[in-house]
Amino acid sequence: GAVVSQHPSWVICKSGTSVKIECRSLDFQATTMFWYRQFPKQSLMLMATSNEGSKATYEQGVEKDKFLINHASLTLSTLTVTSAHPEDSSFYICSARKELFSTDTQYFGPGTRLTVL
Amino acid sequence: GEDVEQSLFLSVREGDSSVINCTYTDSSSTYLYWYKQEPGAGLQLLTYIFSNMDMKQDQRLTVLLNKKDKHLSLRIADTQTGDSAIYFCAESIWETGGFKTIFGAGTRLFVKA
Repeated sequence: GAVVSQHPSWVICKSGTSVKIECRSLDFQATTMFWYRQFPKQSLMLMATSNEGSKATYEQGVEKDKFLINHASLTLSTLTVTSAHPEDSSFYICSARKELFSTDTQYFGPGTRLTVL
Repeated sequence: GEDVEQSLFLSVREGDSSVINCTYTDSSSTYLYWYKQEPGAGLQLLTYIFSNMDMKQDQRLTVLLNKKDKHLSLRIADTQTGDSAIYFCAESIWETGGFKTIFGAGTRLFVKA
């Protein structure tokens, strides 16, 4: 099956710093990638849809200037948490959409745990 | 290791019930989820069940959890063509620092009119 990686798998940073998380599709090209965040009730919430070559589409309530998304190539999307604060501490997971003829599915990365001190 | 497995395809007739099955390996799961993905869209949380429950019903959806066998199922009653989508099973487990979610590969549900 298709493989999606995330880097780093975990990161600890000081409050006020920025953190970049990478999401890569390793063996297929993904025009669309999704970024999710795990919330206290443990379900995932979609943050934004990342489209290669265009601006990301953010879900309501997600701050665009705080969570910068760049989909630089067909295999890489990055999420930068700017001026991180302790409330940004969470588990962030990406998925990459694979389209093949008429089929369409998502493959999930292993996630990145962010802890902001 | 941690793993979630699902069958890849299911085809049903409109009006019938659909049952999508999932197995997981980590017995320390806290919550188990069913998500729906429609073409081109992100995940939509359908329902979830806490690991100390056996069953949860929500309108047309029934979730059954067999902890002994680590088996989770989603039953959709009176399946409609609008239910055609990919359904992902997921489990939340605790690790140092917080919860993380592990997904299955998704089951593609085809509903025939």
